[in-house]
Amino acid sequence: DAGVTQSPTHLIKTRGQHVTLRCSPISGHKSVSWYQQVLGQGPQFIFQYYEKEERGRGNFPDRFSARQFPNYSSELNVNALLLGDSALYLCASSFRLLGQDNEKLFFGSGTQLSVL
Amino acid sequence: AQSVTQLDSQVPVFEEAPVELRCNYSSSVSVYLFWYVQYPNQGLQLLLKYLSGSTLVKGINGFEAEFNKSQTSFHLRKPSVHISDTAEYFCAVTKPYTDKLIFGTGTRLQVFP
Repeated sequence: DAGVTQSPTHLIKTRGQHVTLRCSPISGHKSVSWYQQVLGQGPQFIFQYYEKEERGRGNFPDRFSARQFPNYSSELNVNALLLGDSALYLCASSFRLLGQDNEKLFFGSGTQLSVL
Repeated sequence: AQSVTQLDSQVPVFEEAPVELRCNYSSSVSVYLFWYVQYPNQGLQLLLKYLSGSTLVKGINGFEAEFNKSQTSFHLRKPSVHISDTAEYFCAVTKPYTDKLIFGTGTRLQVFP
């Protein structure tokens, strides 16, 4: 079975541009969450979607938005890119929410975004 | 709100030596605790987790961790490390029924021959 897949793996953008990152969860997983990992730091929570509804939002500006599609895949959109948005963006999926039936969170390998 | 502190940014150790990576958390509610490992240019892999029950948790690759509620700690241990254990290790905390993990800043484990 395929794990969590993210595309693209690497991306270079310039300031002010817009970017869309994509995530396909493990087959059957209904929860998708997004994290930003700046170099040398731990991942920071951006969004969580469960059954296509937003279940949580981290402390990120409105330039960041996301959605989950009927097939449970997800997109993260970032508008008006800043240099500080350069980071590894990680997607994670689970079948249910953590704590239900010993659930686990599975991470993808991430999209490395560089903003010049 | 929850928070996690990883006390050591880097831990150098020789191969076959024991290692302990320290993690302290703060929370006003019950929490779940996790350790993840990240190899270069890869995502995060779950090593082990504590949800409830026995305070000694065994994970993959010979790692284990002990939940200590009185000291609000969840230290990761391995009795004998290998070169292949060289990686970044992250401690994380969350409230039940959410995937919003709060991560520490990470500990770089460097294993030398």
